[in-house]
Amino acid sequence: DAAVTQKPRYLIKMKGQEAEMKCIPEKGHTAVFWYQQKQSKELKFLIYFQNQQPLDQIDMVKERFSAVCPSSSLCSLGIRTCEAEDSALYLCSSSQKGQGGQNTLYFGAGTRLSVL
Amino acid sequence: GDSVTQTEGLVTLTEGLPVMLNCTYQTIYSNPFLFWYVHYLNESPRLLLKSSTDNKRTEHQGFHATLHKSSSSFHLQKSSAQLSDSALYYCALSRNSGTYQRFGTGTKLQVVP
Repeated sequence: DAAVTQKPRYLIKMKGQEAEMKCIPEKGHTAVFWYQQKQSKELKFLIYFQNQQPLDQIDMVKERFSAVCPSSSLCSLGIRTCEAEDSALYLCSSSQKGQGGQNTLYFGAGTRLSVL
Repeated sequence: GDSVTQTEGLVTLTEGLPVMLNCTYQTIYSNPFLFWYVHYLNESPRLLLKSSTDNKRTEHQGFHATLHKSSSSFHLQKSSAQLSDSALYYCALSRNSGTYQRFGTGTKLQVVP
């Protein structure tokens, strides 16, 4: 079983609606990453947090997403206005110490978002 | 910027045949870390193996890979494919610090009887 917990597993939204998904990182991990996977393709990096602070994110996230880690045991990723292209599996992962180096990423099972 | 290339989107093999999944990378960083993650259907992706040592073979669960900095490659191999190896395999690259892990497009391995 994944030590990283993601909820919900499935999310269905209409175009234009807001979506929110949550992640509980593995205990003791200080870095949290969000990736997007479409059609079993490339894991696309979205944003990462170190000690609850966002340190890097792609432009798409800055423009249309909202992401926070209000505590060391909870993070959330939101989409302000869902578009069809946002349909994907959203994977949260965490690692010890920080990003980079040989720190292994531990993934949750993901939230599958479908935008109709 | 850094990038990872996995040329095969789908590899279909007969059980018992050897497996080789290609991974090449580009980075200006001289000491990258390379990873292979495996993603089974309806499970979470998990680490299969990793390495940062040039020309040293790394093994785990029957799979092995060797980082070759001269050719910027980290191919995943296994001597004999099993039905249970069917999954999506991702190669990833990391620097020592400053960036997140960058993933390739993934290779779906399908092992058939």
